[in-house]
Amino acid sequence: AQTVTQSQPEMSVQEAETVTLSCTYDTSESNYYLFWYKQPPSRQMILVIRQEAYKQQNATENRFSVNFQKAAKSFSLKISDSQLGDTAMYFCAFMKLSNTGTASKLTFGTGTRLQVTL
Amino acid sequence: EAGVTQSPTHLIKTRGQQATLRCSPISGHTSVYWYQQALGLGLQFLLWYDEGEERNRGNFPPRFSGRQFPNYSSELNVNALELEDSALYLCASSLQGWGVYEQYFGPGTRLTVT
Repeated sequence: AQTVTQSQPEMSVQEAETVTLSCTYDTSESNYYLFWYKQPPSRQMILVIRQEAYKQQNATENRFSVNFQKAAKSFSLKISDSQLGDTAMYFCAFMKLSNTGTASKLTFGTGTRLQVTL
Repeated sequence: EAGVTQSPTHLIKTRGQQATLRCSPISGHTSVYWYQQALGLGLQFLLWYDEGEERNRGNFPPRFSGRQFPNYSSELNVNALELEDSALYLCASSLQGWGVYEQYFGPGTRLTVT
């Protein structure tokens, strides 16, 4: 079974600063996907970024980027130029591919609550 | 394009009753996933349906069941409700195919059991 660990329950960052959220996972699989989702106080879960395990290049989406260290089983999220709208709970998630190599269930970490302040 | 929709938004039930939650996936998505987000327990995988079939089930008792209809919408049934079933129930949908792995979530149904 896979496990996902987010060791930072809460973090705070000032507007325009950079913050890094940590995530580690444990798996014996070689082919998998990793995701970061955010859940603002309005509660709708939004996909932030995804990373394919077979890709060495770190994924980037605008102000969001990841540091994927496959050997260390680490998958951190960096948010640059933080904005008030980034205030949310952030979840790291692991997906083991199905037997046919397609999507399957997500295994989530416990989340990091990020507060962006003025 | 409409996102994943869920109904009702809130549901209040008494212990021992049954609850039915509904989910409509994004148009074209064949897979529907159900997750439970209970206070202090994080997000736990409940059920996965694809093309009308149950593909996987999380570590939940048989009281939790569901189905997927021919139009790919889904419902989650929780029988013999217990107080600890109080949670936010999230539905997500995805395509099934090579290179498409993102799940898109609905706003959730808040179930309160009294």
